[in-house]
Amino acid sequence: GQNIDQPTEMTATEGAIVQINCTYQTSGFNGLFWYQQHAGEAPTFLSYNVLDGLEEKGRFSSFLSRSKGYSYLLLKELQMKDSASYLCAVDSGAGSYQLTFGKGTKLSVIP
Amino acid sequence: GAVVSQHPSWVICKSGTSVKIECRSLDFQATTMFWYRQFPKQSLMLMATSNEGSKATYEQGVEKDKFLINHASLTLSTLTVTSAHPEDSSFYICSAKSGANVLTFGAGSRLTVL
Repeated sequence: GQNIDQPTEMTATEGAIVQINCTYQTSGFNGLFWYQQHAGEAPTFLSYNVLDGLEEKGRFSSFLSRSKGYSYLLLKELQMKDSASYLCAVDSGAGSYQLTFGKGTKLSVIP
Repeated sequence: GAVVSQHPSWVICKSGTSVKIECRSLDFQATTMFWYRQFPKQSLMLMATSNEGSKATYEQGVEKDKFLINHASLTLSTLTVTSAHPEDSSFYICSAKSGANVLTFGAGSRLTVL
């Protein structure tokens, strides 16, 4: 079966850096996505990793290690608006985009 | 950027009735769309893959006769929840591939069955 684990909740201070981890065990691997989801809203795309290493995009970076089944999302210079759930999702099909999602990590940014 | 429009945003219906949710890609064509369901504090669960001009493929445990999917054009997929019951109350979200390695999600439809 497919299994994706990420912490349920995290709290960080405005202006700080936070790292959200994701481990996965899937039958196949064709890429890992990170999405941001505010309560009651649709997820919005943050990043995509298919090769090992770090992808940087502004204040957000995402890292992947395929051999370890591990990824993290790094958020720098935290802002209050970053308070949201962050979803890790794996495309375990043949690039079919049939994603398996983790339960999400609810990040609370405090002043 | 790419936009996926989902309608209605909110719907309340009586038990036993059917509800249709529309998912439209506004500025791109989507041969494939995906339908998810999200219960409170749970992850998005893929229900089915909607393919333009052909039958949808359903994930294990999803009743295809209850959740009817129609993808009649390259910009529209519909999900009809037939004979809805309170346990079908959930947040339904669609998505479409809008670019290389990018899925764009609709804003979701919150269904409440009384």
